[in-house]
Parts: sequence; C-alpha cells; structure tokens
Amino acid sequence: AQSVSQHNHHVILSEAASLELGCNYSYGGTVNLFWYVQYPGQHLQLLLKYFSGDPLVKGIKGFEAEFIKSKFSFNLRKPSVQWSDTAEYFCAVNSGGSNYKLTFGKGTLLTVNP
Amino acid sequence: NAGVTQTPKFRILKIGQSMTLQCTQDMNHNYMYWYRQDPGMGLKLIYYSVGAGITDKGEVPNGYNVSRSTTEDFPLRLELAAPSQTSVYFCASSYPVKKEANVLTFGAGSRLTVL
Repeated sequence: AQSVSQHNHHVILSEAASLELGCNYSYGGTVNLFWYVQYPGQHLQLLLKYFSGDPLVKGIKGFEAEFIKSKFSFNLRKPSVQWSDTAEYFCAVNSGGSNYKLTFGKGTLLTVNP
Repeated sequence: NAGVTQTPKFRILKIGQSMTLQCTQDMNHNYMYWYRQDPGMGLKLIYYSVGAGITDKGEVPNGYNVSRSTTEDFPLRLELAAPSQTSVYFCASSYPVKKEANVLTFGAGSRLTVL
C-alpha cells in the first residue's frame, strides 16, 4: 500500500526564517502530489499540486515544492515565513490511474513566532 | 456557493449510541469522501463515493456506513459508537475530471467525542 512520510512532527521558526518540510512517498510509478494546509480554525485547503511537467511548482502565499523522482520526495519550501503561516501542513499522494483516493501524511505543525 | 457543509460541528455520544454526520455539497462534484483526523496521525479515508448510488470502503471503514442517494449528499452513519471513534471527521468532494479529482474541497469538520 502507498505510504507518505512527513519527517517533522512540529517545527518552530522565527519570522523571516526559511522553511523546508520533508515529504517522502513509497509508490514507484506515476504519482500526483499535493500539499494541503489547515490554518487554525479553518478548513483544510490546497496549497499546491504537482501532476506532471516542471518539477518545481509554486502555490499560494509564496510556497513552492520540488518533486524529485529519484528520491521519492516532494518537499515544501518557503524562503521567509510569516506569523500567519502558522498551521498544520499535510503532504498527500495519489498513485494515478483510476484511483482517486489520496493518501495523506501525518502532518507537520508549523509554529512561527513573531 | 456554500461549498461543503457538515453538520453537526460538535457532538458528544455515549458508548453504544448511533448517529449520522451529514455532508452536503453544492458544487455538483461527483466524488465525495469521508476522512477522520486523529492527532499526529494525519487523515485516514473511511469511505468514498464516485457518484450517486456508488460507495466504496477506504482504509478504516469498520464501525461506519454510508449512503449516496443524491449527488449532493453523503451522510456517514456511526452504529454502536465506541471510544475509538472519538475523532474529527472531514467530508470532502472533488470534480470528476481525472487529475482534478484529487483536488479536494473540505468541509469544516465535525468533532465527535464518545464517552
């Protein structure tokens, strides 16, 4: 079965620090990759997605992620975080084909101190 | 558009009671899903549906049932509630174009406590 690993359970940063959250998946074939974010008290929402093409994808609020096929990774980055980025971040993977079920990682809680 | 609406937002159940979590969407999405979220465990798929009259099990279906009589509604039924079902439940939907089917729109969640 497909699995998704997020290496950091809780990350604490100061404003303006750079962010990188790790995500690795287990499936070796074609994948669709996502990062979802849950801000405090809000719905889960899509941050960015990768289907094919340029492995560096840009999402909302200055976030980007890089798909590295050889490493089975899809790490999330932001050069300078803000207090408003405090949220829980979930990596999700779908193995393509006719299976439209997403497998989610356990999530990384990001706390940004002002 | 209201998006995905879940009710109730909070509920406390006693062991052995039953209840239904309601979910409705107004985006004409064919695909609908129920996930549960437990602290530090991410989201686990309970059931999903690709259209009215069609449902299938996800990773953790035991103790739950679903039905899909209309495109808009996808209720989740808990029979004989157990403490292990204490969780936050999220309903989601997506548009039935192949890759966009993975772009989920989530509801606000329903926090259920079983005592």
